[in-house]
Amino acid sequence: GAVVSQHPSRVICKSGTSVKIECRSLDFQATTMFWYRQFPKQSLMLMATSNEGSKATYEQGVEKDKFLINHASLTLSTLTVTSAHPEDSSFYICSASRGTEAFFGQGTRLTVV
Amino acid sequence: AQTVTQSQPEMSVQEAETVTLSCTYDTSESNYYLFWYKQPPSRQMILVIRQEAYKQQNATENRFSVNFQKAAKSFSLKISDSQLGDTAMYFCAFMKGGAGTASKLTFGTGTRLQVTL
Repeated sequence: GAVVSQHPSRVICKSGTSVKIECRSLDFQATTMFWYRQFPKQSLMLMATSNEGSKATYEQGVEKDKFLINHASLTLSTLTVTSAHPEDSSFYICSASRGTEAFFGQGTRLTVV
Repeated sequence: AQTVTQSQPEMSVQEAETVTLSCTYDTSESNYYLFWYKQPPSRQMILVIRQEAYKQQNATENRFSVNFQKAAKSFSLKISDSQLGDTAMYFCAFMKGGAGTASKLTFGTGTRLQVTL
């Protein structure tokens, strides 16, 4: 299978600061990437669809000004959590699309203190 | 909109035994794909098995097989000869098919499987 690398795996930040999470497809080009959020012991909830060279499509209820997504190349999408607050603490997972196959990054555990 | 339902929050099975995890879904689409993903404690999502809706034959992958009942919109996962390494959270997922469709996944709520000695 293809490899998707997500970085960092863990990050702790202070309330009010911004955090950037990177998602890279290492061995294929991904025109579409997805960002999910997972609360403890819960399922993955889609936050947004990231399309290379265009604006991301956000799911209902997700604040686009808070969760900034950039997909500037065919191998990299970034999620920036702006002005982070403790309620943003969660596990964030990206996936890169190749046709009908989805390949997942390792996830990022964000803790806002 | 699609929905995926997993009615078993937790299950337990003894090593070497067989266990079946349930999944039902609701969709008006005719072209779609179904998946089972495993999420071990590392939280890395691992594809276990996939099924194309247009295929009548049930998918199998070594010890893992599915029972796909399209009319009933049911997609259960059978794990044979369970191993300790199978202990994980299992998610059933749906993906709409069609040309130009990005592979957006809709997940069920998950079943936590514990394999015991």
